[in-house]
Amino acid sequence: DQQVKQNSPSLSVQEGRISILNCDYTNSMFDYFLWYKKYPAEGPTFLISISSIKDKNEDGRFTVFLNKSAKHLSLHIVPSQPGDSAVYFCAAGLLNTGFQKLVFGTGTRLLVSP
Amino acid sequence: DVKVTQSSRYLVKRTGEKVFLECVQDMDHENMFWYRQDPGLGLRLIYFSYDVKMKEKGDIPEGYSVSREKKERFSLILESASTNQTSMYLCASSFPSGGGDTQYFGPGTRLTVL
Repeated sequence: DQQVKQNSPSLSVQEGRISILNCDYTNSMFDYFLWYKKYPAEGPTFLISISSIKDKNEDGRFTVFLNKSAKHLSLHIVPSQPGDSAVYFCAAGLLNTGFQKLVFGTGTRLLVSP
Repeated sequence: DVKVTQSSRYLVKRTGEKVFLECVQDMDHENMFWYRQDPGLGLRLIYFSYDVKMKEKGDIPEGYSVSREKKERFSLILESASTNQTSMYLCASSFPSGGGDTQYFGPGTRLTVL
């Protein structure tokens, strides 16, 4: 039973345009969400996070939006660059459990072409 | 910078062999995790540890065990390797904080079981 879903396995975008990666979750108890980026042959690296008390968090070209009622979050990358080509994982966790165990989605491969 | 290192980048073993994967972090993190990453399945948690000598099963612990004798080191053990354990293995660590834990990942070990 996949609690965190990324329904698009891949996305292709032209350089300079916006990339929108989507993530849905089923457990309404999740209250902390993260996006990780992974290049081939490397471990995932943390990109941006958001807690459920917010609906938006920005960091440079990256913005994460959270829609709690829809149990949906999205990552916007503007403008997209070829170096953003990677697999992106969303993850969800429970802040109030005292222990941060994350549930990861299946990933979306982003390809940004020049 | 947080550094998480894994003992091998690539490993080839035979069915039935005992396999040790080692992970070391240098940031005095309390929590450590072992995941495996498979195409279409994302990152799945095998085991985690929140303190020395403490361990908890993740979502797919069957066929694996772990050891945490020192805070900085977390080992994953495949008692009798099987071909369905061919995968990318990722270690992560985090420091528990009230604001939400960010997990930091090692580079991964690509294990092939023949």
